[in-house]
Amino acid sequence: GNSVTQMEGPVTLSEEAFLTINCTYTATGYPSLFWYVQYPGEGLQLLLKATKADDKGSNKGFEATYRKETTSFHLEKGSVQVSDSAVYFCALNDLTGGGNKLTFGTGTQLKVEL
Amino acid sequence: DTAVSQTPKYLVTQMGNDKSIKCEQNLGHDTMYWYKQDSKKFLKIMFSYNNKELIINETVPNRFSPKSPDKAHLNLHINSLELGDSAVYFCASSKSRGIGTDTQYFGPGTRLTVL
Repeated sequence: GNSVTQMEGPVTLSEEAFLTINCTYTATGYPSLFWYVQYPGEGLQLLLKATKADDKGSNKGFEATYRKETTSFHLEKGSVQVSDSAVYFCALNDLTGGGNKLTFGTGTQLKVEL
Repeated sequence: DTAVSQTPKYLVTQMGNDKSIKCEQNLGHDTMYWYKQDSKKFLKIMFSYNNKELIINETVPNRFSPKSPDKAHLNLHINSLELGDSAVYFCASSKSRGIGTDTQYFGPGTRLTVL
């Protein structure tokens, strides 16, 4: 079946450091790919998405490119802030079985320190 | 203005009790979902409804019964609660069921603690 693999956390960075969170996927067909963010005590918010190969999603300084050849969707940010501390989830949209469901990775906790 | 709302936000109850969680969306979406997030933050889909019709049921124990009175509401009733049901339950909605590009919008979650 479809699956998403994310790098294990927690990831601790200093403010203004470069961030990469790796995400790879296994899927039949051509899923859409998403990054969701969960701030402490809150629900999930869509951070960015890409719906086809070579698409780049971007939002709030974060970027991720849909790479079909490496089945990857790595999240990057050039300069993180303390306010970016959260759990980041990579997900793919699975349309098998007649429904529209998100299959999530295990989440990567990011902690940014001054 | 809240797009997807859930009540209650916290629910603490004894083993064996029956409880319900309610979800409402004001986005005009056709499709709604329930996800469960365990203590390790792993998220897994439980159910999905499209226009009041059940379309996804992911091998969830039949103690869990979703109900959708209309396409803006999706409730989750849990019978005979067990310790292992303790988790955060998220409701979500999307415009449609069959378009893979649709974004799912999540509610704030309901933290269920079974004692």
